[in-house]
Amino acid sequence: GAVVSQHPSWVICKSGTSVKIECRSLDFQATTMFWYRQFPKQSLMLMATSNEGSKATYEQGVEKDKFLINHASLTLSTLTVTSAHPEDSSFYICSASPVYGYTFGSGTRLTVV
Amino acid sequence: ELKVEQNPLFLSMQEGKNYTIYCNYSTTSDRLYWYRQDPGKSLESLFVLLSNGAVKQEGRLMASLDTKARLSTLHITAAVHDLSATYFCAVDKQSGSARQLTFGSGTQLTVLP
Repeated sequence: GAVVSQHPSWVICKSGTSVKIECRSLDFQATTMFWYRQFPKQSLMLMATSNEGSKATYEQGVEKDKFLINHASLTLSTLTVTSAHPEDSSFYICSASPVYGYTFGSGTRLTVV
Repeated sequence: ELKVEQNPLFLSMQEGKNYTIYCNYSTTSDRLYWYRQDPGKSLESLFVLLSNGAVKQEGRLMASLDTKARLSTLHITAAVHDLSATYFCAVDKQSGSARQLTFGSGTQLTVLP
């Protein structure tokens, strides 16, 4: 079946530094990928839709200069959290849609100290 | 704006009992998904429901869809401890030129021995 690989699984970084999260579709091409953020005990909130070869579409309230998305190939999208602060600590999940349905990455637990 | 309401938010039940989780959504939709999330993990796909009257079953879980009422249910039969998890419904809808998922708030299920 369709597999989405997400790395790293967890990362701890110092406040003010940047962190990059990778999302790869392993056995299918994904022109569109999705980035979600999930705070503890809450639901998934869509942050942005990543489009291969073009700019990402950000949801209202998501700072595009802080959460940089690059979708340079049909199998890779990256999310960079720039100048991270403790309030950015969260669980980040990517997703892609093969022909049918959605497949989710394993998630990245980001802790900013 | 599409809204997805899920209830209950928390559900504690005894092993062997039956219960139903409800998912209401505010506008017409093409597909409805149910997912399971274990603590610290990403989402596991349970069901996708495509049309009015659709019913799918896997083990002790059964999902149904009533598009006229904009309601989906996830029924749990004879619950066992292994079913303890958070369950999300999600509605798939075209938004502009892209499709995206909107999630319910989740139901945290605890099955007590």
